[in-house]
Amino acid sequence: DVKVTQSSRYLVKRTGEKVFLECVQDMDHENMFWYRQDPGLGLRLIYFSYDVKMKEKGDIPEGYSVSREKKERFSLILESASTNQTSMYLCASRTKQRGALETQYFGPGTRLLVL
Amino acid sequence: AQKITQTQPGMFVQEKEAVTLDCTYDTSDPSYGLFWYKQPSSGEMIFLIYQGSYDQQNATEGRYSLNFQKARKSANLVISASQLGDSAMYFCAMREGPGNFGNEKLTFGTGTRLTIIP
Repeated sequence: DVKVTQSSRYLVKRTGEKVFLECVQDMDHENMFWYRQDPGLGLRLIYFSYDVKMKEKGDIPEGYSVSREKKERFSLILESASTNQTSMYLCASRTKQRGALETQYFGPGTRLLVL
Repeated sequence: AQKITQTQPGMFVQEKEAVTLDCTYDTSDPSYGLFWYKQPSSGEMIFLIYQGSYDQQNATEGRYSLNFQKARKSANLVISASQLGDSAMYFCAMREGPGNFGNEKLTFGTGTRLTIIP
């Protein structure tokens, strides 16, 4: 079974702090993704990576950066956390195969509260 | 314009009844894929079913089937014989492009909260 883990389930930070959210997958997937989920807005893509050290902006990259130094690990960084970044953050990974095999596998999510 | 539209923010269904969750999509790409995910209260997204734009038959996975109407750009999820454990948020998502390169992103709808009543 594919396993995607996230470093924290719940996180409370103060405005201005630097926040690291880590995601690790154990299936040798090439692609990894970071989403945020907010009520009424669904999931919105922040950044994704299709190879080590490669990254592409998603729909809402402002205020975030990412790092992928190893294939299995994809980190999301909030350089200076703000209250509007309070959200649920979901990491996902997938292979490059097509069809149903291309489905993204998600981690359990991190609920971040910025005070 | 929204690429994925789920018009039902919430639904209540009696246990053992069938339920249809609506999803319409908007794309000009001839090659695309459609996905449905379930998100229980625990938060984890669970893949349910996939339909490719060139697939001739509607996808089925156990109690889940996808009613794919290409001309209407509709990809409704049908759950037969609903169970209490089906209570969750359900998201429809679309991948545009052939999917060969592996870097195509998914666009998600806003979700439908399904509650099964005993």
